[in-house]
Amino acid sequence: GDSVTQMEGPVTLSEEACLTINCTYTATGYPSLFWYVQYPGEGLQLLLKATKADDKGSNKGFEATYRKETTSFHLEKGSVQVSDSAVYFCASEGGGADGLTFGKGTHLIIQP
Amino acid sequence: GAGVSQSPSNKVTEKGKDVELRCDPISGHTALYWYRQSLGQGLEFLIYFQGNSAPDKSGLPSDRFSAERTGGSVSTLTIQRTQQEDSAVYLCASSLAGRAGEQFFGPGTRLTVL
Repeated sequence: GDSVTQMEGPVTLSEEACLTINCTYTATGYPSLFWYVQYPGEGLQLLLKATKADDKGSNKGFEATYRKETTSFHLEKGSVQVSDSAVYFCASEGGGADGLTFGKGTHLIIQP
Repeated sequence: GAGVSQSPSNKVTEKGKDVELRCDPISGHTALYWYRQSLGQGLEFLIYFQGNSAPDKSGLPSDRFSAERTGGSVSTLTIQRTQQEDSAVYLCASSLAGRAGEQFFGPGTRLTVL
């Protein structure tokens, strides 16, 4: 079945540092790809998405590009803030009756 | 409602007891999903409803788990004869039909089985 693999955390960075969280997927077809974020004490929420190859999703300064050739959807931000501290989940959705397939999550800690 | 709500927020139970978890989706969202979030295991998909029907129940971990949805709205996840390995956060999400990737999540129910 489909699977999503993302880098293990925690990832600790200083404020204004550059961020990359790696995510790769396996799928039988061409899934849609997502990044969800879970801020401390809050529920999961959609951060950005891309539905086809070469699409770039962006939101709140974060970007991710759907790379079919490398089956990747890495999350990037040029300058992180303390408020970005959260757990980030990469996910895929293949269109079947099986919901989203999530990675295990990456805990990001931004220090002032 | 404004968002997906779940109750209870926390549930502590003894091994062998039955528990029932409730999810109230966003009004108008016909699709509803249950996930389990365990420490170190990430998010595990359990079951999906479109309206009142669940096309595929194979994601449920065992036959002690069941879920139903009535009236196309509220859903309940029932775990019978709970075991310690059932301890986890159970998350519910809802979405518009055909928008399975854009799910709105509830705050979850933290289940602890002693």
